[in-house]
Amino acid sequence: DAKTTQPNSMESNEEEPVHLPCNHSTISGTDYIHWYRQLPSQGPEYVIHGLTSNVNNRMASLAIAEDRKSSTLILHRATLRDAAVYYCILPRETSGSRLTFGEGTQLTVNP
Amino acid sequence: EPEVTQTPSHQVTQMGQEVILRCVPISNHLYFYWYRQILGQKVEFLVSFYNNEISEKSEIFDDQFSVERPDGSNFTLKIRSTKLEDSAMYFCASSGFDRGTWSQYFGPGTRLTVL
Repeated sequence: DAKTTQPNSMESNEEEPVHLPCNHSTISGTDYIHWYRQLPSQGPEYVIHGLTSNVNNRMASLAIAEDRKSSTLILHRATLRDAAVYYCILPRETSGSRLTFGEGTQLTVNP
Repeated sequence: EPEVTQTPSHQVTQMGQEVILRCVPISNHLYFYWYRQILGQKVEFLVSFYNNEISEKSEIFDDQFSVERPDGSNFTLKIRSTKLEDSAMYFCASSGFDRGTWSQYFGPGTRLTVL
Protein backbone atom coordinates (compact mmCIF):
# COMPACT_ATOMS: atom_id res chain seq x y z
CA ASP A 1 0.00 0.00 0.00
CA ALA A 2 1.17 3.53 -0.66
CA LYS A 3 2.22 5.32 2.53
CA THR A 4 -0.14 7.92 3.97
CA THR A 5 0.44 10.61 6.59
CA GLN A 6 -2.35 12.06 8.71
CA PRO A 7 -2.38 14.29 11.79
CA ASN A 8 -2.78 12.29 15.00
CA SER A 9 -5.71 14.35 16.19
CA MET A 10 -8.03 17.19 15.28
CA GLU A 11 -10.77 19.03 17.08
CA SER A 12 -13.93 20.65 15.80
CA ASN A 13 -17.09 22.24 17.09
CA GLU A 14 -20.49 20.79 16.43
CA GLU A 15 -22.19 22.01 13.23
CA GLU A 16 -18.95 23.44 11.85
CA PRO A 17 -17.12 22.04 8.81
CA VAL A 18 -14.13 19.77 9.35
CA HIS A 19 -11.28 19.28 6.90
CA LEU A 20 -9.23 16.15 7.54
CA PRO A 21 -5.98 16.10 5.52
CA CYS A 22 -3.99 13.17 4.20
CA ASN A 23 -0.64 13.19 2.41
CA HIS A 24 0.20 10.36 0.03
CA SER A 25 3.16 11.58 -1.98
CA THR A 26 4.09 8.08 -3.25
CA ILE A 27 0.67 7.47 -4.79
CA SER A 28 0.72 5.69 -8.14
CA GLY A 29 -1.48 6.50 -11.10
CA THR A 30 -3.98 3.73 -10.44
CA ASP A 31 -4.27 4.04 -6.64
CA TYR A 32 -7.70 4.93 -5.36
CA ILE A 33 -7.91 7.02 -2.20
CA HIS A 34 -10.22 5.48 0.38
CA TRP A 35 -11.46 6.89 3.67
CA TYR A 36 -12.82 4.78 6.49
CA ARG A 37 -13.69 5.70 10.03
CA GLN A 38 -14.09 3.83 13.28
CA LEU A 39 -16.52 5.12 15.87
CA PRO A 40 -15.87 4.13 19.50
CA SER A 41 -16.55 0.43 20.13
CA GLN A 42 -17.66 -0.18 16.54
CA GLY A 43 -16.23 -1.75 13.42
CA PRO A 44 -14.58 0.33 10.69
CA GLU A 45 -17.02 2.06 8.38
CA TYR A 46 -16.55 2.95 4.71
CA VAL A 47 -16.86 6.70 4.14
CA ILE A 48 -15.86 7.58 0.59
CA HIS A 49 -13.33 6.91 -2.17
CA GLY A 50 -12.01 8.68 -5.24
CA LEU A 51 -9.37 8.56 -7.98
CA THR A 52 -8.89 12.02 -9.46
CA SER A 53 -12.06 14.06 -9.29
CA ASN A 54 -13.65 15.40 -6.16
CA VAL A 55 -16.41 13.16 -4.85
CA ASN A 56 -19.50 13.75 -2.77
CA ASN A 57 -21.80 11.35 -0.99
CA ARG A 58 -24.30 11.57 1.82
CA MET A 59 -21.60 11.25 4.48
CA ALA A 60 -18.82 13.50 3.24
CA SER A 61 -16.89 15.06 0.37
CA LEU A 62 -13.44 14.12 -0.83
CA ALA A 63 -11.23 16.79 -2.35
CA ILE A 64 -8.21 15.45 -4.25
CA ALA A 65 -5.26 17.65 -5.14
CA GLU A 66 -4.46 18.04 -8.81
CA ASP A 67 -1.15 16.15 -8.41
CA ARG A 68 -2.96 13.53 -6.27
CA LYS A 69 -0.29 13.69 -3.60
CA SER A 70 -2.77 14.82 -0.99
CA SER A 71 -6.47 14.71 -0.29
CA THR A 72 -8.92 16.15 2.21
CA LEU A 73 -11.99 14.56 3.69
CA ILE A 74 -14.64 17.20 4.34
CA LEU A 75 -17.45 16.81 6.83
CA HIS A 76 -19.72 19.72 6.03
CA ARG A 77 -21.38 19.98 9.42
CA ALA A 78 -19.79 17.93 12.16
CA THR A 79 -22.07 16.24 14.66
CA LEU A 80 -21.16 14.55 17.92
CA ARG A 81 -21.70 11.25 16.15
CA ASP A 82 -18.80 12.07 13.79
CA ALA A 83 -16.30 11.73 16.63
CA ALA A 84 -14.16 8.83 15.44
CA VAL A 85 -10.77 7.80 14.12
CA TYR A 86 -10.55 8.58 10.41
CA TYR A 87 -8.28 6.53 8.18
CA CYS A 88 -6.96 7.48 4.76
CA ILE A 89 -5.96 4.26 2.96
CA LEU A 90 -4.57 3.55 -0.49
CA PRO A 91 -4.96 -0.20 -1.00
CA ARG A 92 -3.09 -2.07 -3.67
CA GLU A 93 -5.20 -2.06 -6.78
CA THR A 94 -5.80 -5.76 -7.01
CA SER A 95 -9.23 -7.26 -6.60
CA GLY A 96 -10.10 -7.89 -3.00
CA SER A 97 -6.94 -6.36 -1.63
CA ARG A 98 -6.53 -6.07 2.13
CA LEU A 99 -6.88 -2.77 3.96
CA THR A 100 -3.91 -1.67 6.06
CA PHE A 101 -4.99 0.61 8.88
CA GLY A 102 -2.47 3.16 10.15
CA GLU A 103 -2.87 5.42 13.18
CA GLY A 104 -5.47 7.63 11.53
CA THR A 105 -6.75 10.97 12.84
CA GLN A 106 -8.73 11.04 16.06
CA LEU A 107 -11.48 13.61 15.54
CA THR A 108 -13.00 15.19 18.63
CA VAL A 109 -16.24 17.12 18.18
CA ASN A 110 -17.09 19.64 20.88
CA PRO A 111 -20.73 20.44 21.64
CA GLU B 1 -29.45 -0.78 3.45
CA PRO B 2 -27.66 -4.16 3.35
CA GLU B 3 -25.15 -4.78 6.12
CA VAL B 4 -22.68 -7.35 7.37
CA THR B 5 -23.84 -9.17 10.48
CA GLN B 6 -21.78 -11.13 13.01
CA THR B 7 -22.61 -13.58 15.78
CA PRO B 8 -22.09 -13.81 18.65
CA SER B 9 -21.43 -10.26 19.76
CA HIS B 10 -19.35 -11.55 22.68
CA GLN B 11 -17.73 -14.96 23.15
CA VAL B 12 -15.95 -16.07 26.30
CA THR B 13 -13.87 -19.24 26.15
CA GLN B 14 -11.23 -21.12 28.05
CA MET B 15 -7.68 -21.30 26.75
CA GLY B 16 -7.22 -24.30 24.48
CA GLN B 17 -10.86 -24.46 23.40
CA GLU B 18 -12.05 -24.12 19.83
CA VAL B 19 -14.24 -21.18 18.82
CA ILE B 20 -16.17 -20.44 15.67
CA LEU B 21 -17.06 -16.86 14.81
CA ARG B 22 -19.83 -16.36 12.32
CA CYS B 23 -20.54 -13.70 9.74
CA VAL B 24 -23.17 -13.09 7.10
CA PRO B 25 -21.63 -10.91 4.37
CA ILE B 26 -23.62 -8.62 2.09
CA SER B 27 -25.39 -10.93 -0.33
CA ASN B 28 -23.99 -9.83 -3.71
CA HIS B 29 -20.42 -9.34 -2.49
CA LEU B 30 -17.68 -11.65 -3.70
CA TYR B 31 -14.74 -11.04 -1.37
CA PHE B 32 -14.85 -11.74 2.34
CA TYR B 33 -12.37 -10.83 5.05
CA TRP B 34 -11.51 -11.24 8.70
CA TYR B 35 -9.68 -8.57 10.67
CA ARG B 36 -8.91 -8.34 14.34
CA GLN B 37 -8.25 -5.52 16.78
CA ILE B 38 -6.53 -6.12 20.08
CA LEU B 39 -7.66 -3.59 22.68
CA GLY B 40 -5.95 -0.24 22.13
CA GLN B 41 -4.21 -1.37 18.94
CA LYS B 42 -4.75 -1.01 15.20
CA VAL B 43 -7.14 -3.05 13.11
CA GLU B 44 -5.09 -5.90 11.58
CA PHE B 45 -5.85 -7.95 8.49
CA LEU B 46 -6.08 -11.71 8.96
CA VAL B 47 -7.37 -13.28 5.76
CA SER B 48 -9.32 -12.70 2.57
CA PHE B 49 -11.49 -15.27 0.80
CA TYR B 50 -12.78 -15.46 -2.75
CA ASN B 51 -14.40 -18.18 -4.80
CA ASN B 52 -14.23 -20.65 -1.92
CA GLU B 53 -10.55 -20.30 -1.24
CA ILE B 54 -8.15 -18.09 0.63
CA SER B 55 -6.86 -15.33 -1.63
CA GLU B 56 -4.48 -13.69 0.85
CA LYS B 57 -3.47 -14.20 4.47
CA SER B 58 -1.29 -12.39 6.94
CA GLU B 59 1.47 -13.81 9.11
CA ILE B 60 -0.98 -13.78 12.02
CA PHE B 61 -3.20 -16.31 10.23
CA ASP B 62 -1.31 -19.45 11.19
CA ASP B 63 -2.38 -23.09 11.27
CA GLN B 64 -4.67 -22.61 14.24
CA PHE B 65 -6.95 -20.40 12.14
CA SER B 66 -9.23 -21.53 9.34
CA VAL B 67 -12.05 -20.00 7.34
CA GLU B 68 -15.00 -21.54 5.61
CA ARG B 69 -18.06 -20.60 3.65
CA PRO B 70 -20.25 -23.57 4.64
CA ASP B 71 -23.29 -22.43 2.67
CA GLY B 72 -24.38 -19.59 0.42
CA SER B 73 -24.65 -17.02 3.16
CA ASN B 74 -22.35 -17.70 6.13
CA PHE B 75 -18.63 -17.08 6.43
CA THR B 76 -16.85 -18.45 9.49
CA LEU B 77 -13.54 -18.06 11.28
CA LYS B 78 -12.43 -21.00 13.40
CA ILE B 79 -9.69 -20.78 15.99
CA ARG B 80 -8.68 -24.33 16.83
CA SER B 81 -6.98 -23.94 20.20
CA THR B 82 -7.39 -20.48 21.63
CA LYS B 83 -4.59 -18.68 23.42
CA LEU B 84 -4.79 -15.74 25.80
CA GLU B 85 -3.35 -13.49 23.09
CA ASP B 86 -6.27 -14.28 20.78
CA SER B 87 -8.46 -12.05 22.95
CA ALA B 88 -9.55 -9.27 20.61
CA MET B 89 -12.41 -7.85 18.56
CA TYR B 90 -12.83 -9.80 15.35
CA PHE B 91 -14.38 -7.98 12.40
CA CYS B 92 -15.78 -9.58 9.30
CA ALA B 93 -15.98 -7.56 6.11
CA SER B 94 -17.17 -8.06 2.56
CA SER B 95 -16.41 -6.02 -0.52
CA GLY B 96 -18.33 -4.91 -3.54
CA PHE B 97 -17.21 -3.21 -6.73
CA ASP B 98 -18.24 0.43 -6.78
CA ARG B 99 -17.11 3.24 -9.11
CA GLY B 100 -13.94 1.54 -10.30
CA THR B 101 -12.69 -0.11 -7.16
CA TRP B 102 -13.53 -2.41 -4.25
CA SER B 103 -14.88 -0.93 -1.01
CA GLN B 104 -15.14 -2.97 2.16
CA TYR B 105 -18.09 -3.03 4.52
CA PHE B 106 -17.54 -4.21 8.06
CA GLY B 107 -19.68 -5.97 10.59
CA PRO B 108 -20.07 -4.83 14.21
CA GLY B 109 -17.55 -7.35 15.45
CA THR B 110 -17.32 -10.24 17.90
CA ARG B 111 -15.48 -9.61 21.13
CA LEU B 112 -13.51 -12.77 21.96
CA THR B 113 -12.29 -13.15 25.53
CA VAL B 114 -9.94 -16.06 26.25
CA LEU B 115 -9.55 -16.92 29.94
